[in-house]
Amino acid sequence: DVKVTQSSRYLVKRTGEKVFLECVQDMDHENMFWYRQDPGLGLRLIYFSYDVKMKEKGDIPEGYSVSREKKERFSLILESASTNQTSMYLCASSLRQGNQPQHFGDGTRLSIL
Amino acid sequence: SQQGEEDPQALSIQEGENATMNCSYKTSINNLQWYRQNSGRGLVHLILIRSNEREKHSGRLRVTLDTSKKSSSLLITASRAADTASYFCAPYALYNFNKFYFGSGTKLNVKP
Repeated sequence: DVKVTQSSRYLVKRTGEKVFLECVQDMDHENMFWYRQDPGLGLRLIYFSYDVKMKEKGDIPEGYSVSREKKERFSLILESASTNQTSMYLCASSLRQGNQPQHFGDGTRLSIL
Repeated sequence: SQQGEEDPQALSIQEGENATMNCSYKTSINNLQWYRQNSGRGLVHLILIRSNEREKHSGRLRVTLDTSKKSSSLLITASRAADTASYFCAPYALYNFNKFYFGSGTKLNVKP
């Protein structure tokens, strides 16, 4: 079974801090994704990577950056955390072909105080 | 974007009843996928239906797709309390280049 592991289930940070969210998958998937999920807004795509060192902006990339130095690891970076970035963050991975299911981690609930 | 919109937003039924959730979308697709999310967890893939299929079954799940109406439905038969979760559809077109667009989901509550 595919396993997508997010480094923290819960995280509390302060405004202005640089925050790193880590995601690791163990199935050699080419594609990796970061979403945030907010009540009433559904899942919104922040960034997407289809290969090592490759990235594409999603719908809401402002205030975020990503890093993919190794195929199995995709990091989301909040450059200077703000309270409006308090949210549930979900990482997912899939095979290269676009019709393949996405496999999700259990999420990181991030609170910015 | 190729976002699916689920309807209803919330659904409450008794154990043993059937639950039907609907999904509408706006443009042509190659396939449509359904996912489930238990409270506080990630999404889990349930089923994929291709654009040339009209119906698909998996255990107690039945999915239909009507491309002329740009809609899909997910039926869960003989529901159980463990089916309590949010359900999302993800319409997919090749021009999305591997990206899915999820809606806000249908929150299903199955009362024991």
